[in-house]
Amino acid sequence: QQQVKQSPQSLIVQKGGISIINCAYENTAFDYFPWYQQFPGKGPALLIAIRPDVSEKKEGRFTISFNKSAKQFSLHIMDSQPGDSATYFCAASMGYPGANNLFFGTGTRLTVIP
Amino acid sequence: DVKVTQSSRYLVKRTGEKVFLECVQDMDHENMFWYRQDPGLGLRLIYFSYDVKMKEKGDIPEGYSVSREKKERFSLILESASTNQTSMYLCASSPRGGLSYEQYFGPGTRLTVT
Repeated sequence: QQQVKQSPQSLIVQKGGISIINCAYENTAFDYFPWYQQFPGKGPALLIAIRPDVSEKKEGRFTISFNKSAKQFSLHIMDSQPGDSATYFCAASMGYPGANNLFFGTGTRLTVIP
Repeated sequence: DVKVTQSSRYLVKRTGEKVFLECVQDMDHENMFWYRQDPGLGLRLIYFSYDVKMKEKGDIPEGYSVSREKKERFSLILESASTNQTSMYLCASSPRGGLSYEQYFGPGTRLTVT
């Protein structure tokens, strides 16, 4: 059973456009929602994270929007660049380190066309 | 700089062989994880360890075992490799007192079982 549902599976965006990736969850025990970025040949790396008591978090061109009532969150990449081409994973965490507490979405392969 | 290394980037094994995948982290992290990554399925947790000689099953432990004799090293063992274990294997680590949602990943081992 997939704890976090992610869409779309792949996305092609023109340079300068906005990339939007959506995720949804059911378990209200989740209390952190991170996004990981994975370049080809590399492992995933933490990109940005948000708590459910915040509706939006922005870091540079990357913004997480969070809708607690709908149990949905999304990643927006503004002014998308070819260097943003990567696979993006949303995830949800229950807030305590160690145990099996980080659940990943299925991933979105983003391609930014020059 | 945080570093997780995996013993091989690419590995080709035959059906029925015993396969060892090694992971080493140099960050003195207590927690270590093994995931497999498959297209459309995201990252699925196989096993994790929160201390030396301790291990816990993740979501898909069948056909795998692990060993953690030293804090910095976490090994994934495929007792008798099968073709459905062809996948990308990712190791990760995190500190016990760190952010619950931040794991540090190695570059992955792409295993092909023929």
